[in-house]
Amino acid sequence: DAKTTQPPSMDCAEGRAANLPCNHSTISGNEYVYWYRQIHSQGPQYIIHGLKNNETNEMASLIITEDRKSSTLILPHATLRDTAVYYCIVRVTNAGKSTFGDGTTLTVKP
Amino acid sequence: DTGVSQNPRHKITKRGQNVTFRCDPISEHNRLYWYRQTLGQGPEFLTYFQNEAQLEKSRLLSDRFSAERPKGSFSTLEIQRTEQGDSAMYLCASSLAGYVETQYFGPGTRLLVL
Repeated sequence: DAKTTQPPSMDCAEGRAANLPCNHSTISGNEYVYWYRQIHSQGPQYIIHGLKNNETNEMASLIITEDRKSSTLILPHATLRDTAVYYCIVRVTNAGKSTFGDGTTLTVKP
Repeated sequence: DTGVSQNPRHKITKRGQNVTFRCDPISEHNRLYWYRQTLGQGPEFLTYFQNEAQLEKSRLLSDRFSAERPKGSFSTLEIQRTEQGDSAMYLCASSLAGYVETQYFGPGTRLLVL
């Protein structure tokens, strides 16, 4: 699986959009981008995934660059409950294990 | 609640004892994964099953660790002769194998070895 690079930490004001970047410059054509988040002492929670098109669900939006070498997870209106560690993973879907990096710790401040 | 469940949620044991954790996946999911997570790190893959078959094991899974999924439903992870370095959160995830596979995680079992 391709390696990802994320900033170790970010802050965001409550009610503002949180934009979390991820670099995956060695991504292969058949690898998807997945995002998870982990709130303290809980298991990782699936957020969203995509291949090359932008995706949106009730939790977030995922913007993948045209060359697929980077992506951005957008939480449109961050709340205090969005404070968590956010993991960006790239993997061949249906290929088994996920390889997690250290993620980005997002702190939403009032 | 139809999510992944894990028991126990917390376990404290003395070094040298054996411990066993259980994971119940989402009912229709045929894949089941075990990960380990230490403080400040992302989860690390240990092993996974498709139905009853154990398809991959990490080098992290020493011979003191054994995982089973006897009927293709729940799974157990046993650690024999625990060591202090085994202290971690043990996470289980399940998924439905298919063209686009998404893994869903349980709440984890936090192990402390004294």
